[in-house]
Amino acid sequence: DVVMTQTPPSLSVAIGQSVSISCKSSQSLVYSDGKTYLHWLLQSPGRSPKRLIYQVSNLGSGVPDRFSGTGSQKDFTLKISRVEAEDLGVYYCAQTTHFPFTFGSGTKLEIK
Amino acid sequence: EVQLVESGGGLVQPGRSLKLSCLASGFTFSNYGMNWIRQAPGKGLEWVASISSSSSYIYYADTVKGRFTISRDNAKNTLYLQMTSLRSEDTALYYCARGIRMVDAWGQGASVTVSS
Repeated sequence: DVVMTQTPPSLSVAIGQSVSISCKSSQSLVYSDGKTYLHWLLQSPGRSPKRLIYQVSNLGSGVPDRFSGTGSQKDFTLKISRVEAEDLGVYYCAQTTHFPFTFGSGTKLEIK
Repeated sequence: EVQLVESGGGLVQPGRSLKLSCLASGFTFSNYGMNWIRQAPGKGLEWVASISSSSSYIYYADTVKGRFTISRDNAKNTLYLQMTSLRSEDTALYYCARGIRMVDAWGQGASVTVSS
């Protein structure tokens, strides 16, 4: 199984600051079609997960451009610029290249 | 608007069975692969099973293989998860989610508690 190592486990940030979350996979996430199925999700408190970024760097529908994703092969990063109060919650990376699909352990973002 | 509404959760004794349903609306259900993904209380996300749009391809996590069965009825726009031989470690919120490589929508979840 692909192990997704996500760091840090938690972050405390002031409104307006920027943060980055790292996600490293134990295998390359490049699929046979040449695409990389690495995604970022946000689970706001008491809510279902919501897709933020798909295929490394593509913004999901309605997601503000303060969110950005970069990376390739086995090393990926989510950056949030100018954090807002609504950004609090748990962020997960997820890979859907290889079965079984696997998730990072999550990064809890708190607002100072 | 894409909607996924799970139902069928509840409290069940170890070793018993339960069947979850996910009613889809707002999109052409038969065009999409679907998944079940679960989240134990206070824990992270765990993929459970996936099924292709025509049910030709089905995949399971090792933790549920042989006990859970994913299926779908495209005429009823409904995804199912039949769970048998339930264990305490199956206690979780079960989400249905649209898309296989591109999971882009989630339901609100159905709660399953396995306890005597």
